[in-house]
Amino acid sequence: AQSVAQPEDQVNVAEGNPLTVKCTYSVSGNPYLFWYVQYPNRGLQFLLKYITGDNLVKGSYGFEAEFNKSQTSFHLKKPSALVSDSALYFCAVRLGSSNTGKLIFGQGTTLQVKP
Amino acid sequence: NAGVMQNPRHLVRRRGQEARLRCSPMKGHSHVYWYRQLPEEGLKFMVYLQKENIIDESGMPKERFSAEFPKEGPSILRIQQVVRGDSAAYFCASSAGTGDFQPQHFGDGTRLSIL
Repeated sequence: AQSVAQPEDQVNVAEGNPLTVKCTYSVSGNPYLFWYVQYPNRGLQFLLKYITGDNLVKGSYGFEAEFNKSQTSFHLKKPSALVSDSALYFCAVRLGSSNTGKLIFGQGTTLQVKP
Repeated sequence: NAGVMQNPRHLVRRRGQEARLRCSPMKGHSHVYWYRQLPEEGLKFMVYLQKENIIDESGMPKERFSAEFPKEGPSILRIQQVVRGDSAAYFCASSAGTGDFQPQHFGDGTRLSIL
């Protein structure tokens, strides 16, 4: 069965410092991987995706993520955090061979960036 | 260029009543997904629809829940005889397709409260 794990409920970083939000996945087959961000009382906003090709993908708002097949990970990173990055972050996976497109989400990680 | 529109944003129902949640996809999108987010949890897939067809309803409870996406008008998620456990945020997402890895775009959700 497909699954996504975000091992940290919360990540705290100081503004200006680099941030990492961790994600590992389990699928049988080629994964399509996504990161979304959710602000309070809002829907999810797409940040970036990995389908194939370069393991380092760049997305919106200066975020990037690195796909590591051997570690089945897709950690979200940003070189310099902003207070406005504080939000709830979700990693999601879709089976590449699936024709339904449904996403399996992790539990979410709250990012707190302090001034 | 309107995004995914969901209404109402908040819905309060008493136990035993019916809840109807509406979703208008982004312009040009013919694929609609419904997800449910329980408090302190990630999003769980419920159903995937294309115009007039249910493609995947593997995440939807067998009883009391139904979904449709008619040829004209919004997609509707209908919950009959609501119970307290139905209290959650329900998110709709749309995409232009699944074959070319289009990301799903989310609405701001309907927060359903059962008294």
